[in-house]
Amino acid sequence: NAGVTQTPKFQVLKTGQSMTLQCAQDMNHNSMYWYRQDPGMGLRLIYYSASEGTTDKGEVPNGYNVSRLNKREFSLRLESAAPSQTSVYFCASSSDASVRGYTFGSGTRLTVV
Amino acid sequence: KQEVTQIPAALSVPEGENLVLNCSFTDSAIYNLQWFRQDPGKGLTSLLLIQSSQREQTSGRLNASLDKSSGRSTLYIAASQPGDSATYLCAVRPQNSGGSNYKLTFGKGTLLTVNP
Repeated sequence: NAGVTQTPKFQVLKTGQSMTLQCAQDMNHNSMYWYRQDPGMGLRLIYYSASEGTTDKGEVPNGYNVSRLNKREFSLRLESAAPSQTSVYFCASSSDASVRGYTFGSGTRLTVV
Repeated sequence: KQEVTQIPAALSVPEGENLVLNCSFTDSAIYNLQWFRQDPGKGLTSLLLIQSSQREQTSGRLNASLDKSSGRSTLYIAASQPGDSATYLCAVRPQNSGGSNYKLTFGKGTLLTVNP
């Protein structure tokens, strides 16, 4: 099925470890986004990419880096994981067609111990 | 800064009841408003998207309305079923956001439980 695919679905890290969350979309969307979702905080934008080769900071970028490898893929990297980064991470994409809005992936549940 | 509020935070109803979920936003300069459903441990699924020029959108038992001037949207669910149990989120897109790159502002959601 067409959509946004995230890997892995679950991950446990030790404090200080690094990892990359992968996201790919096959809808030919130009823009992609990374959000984190925490209880009581709602969805918060970490980074976004308007097009291949461009990235911008969102509301909570500290401790993260991103890479827009090509039009399909947008990865999120934690260089040195901290317990405060325990969260559920969602990738999303959007197109020029205003009738479609955002499409979300199924999420990555990350625990940092 | 746009703020989106959803009240109540949680709602429990018996099966078969018609219900309304509320979403309010502080800045009426929006391009559109999108309603999502989120099942526990899952991602967000888009339900309805209303353009700023529209008053309502319908999909099956769901009807979303938009009153941009008053900063309000409602999601009406007819004849609720236990399978409707989920968290419902609304999100607004800023007015001056042409093209594909835009940042949504999300509410924190309403947790709906439909009891058999």
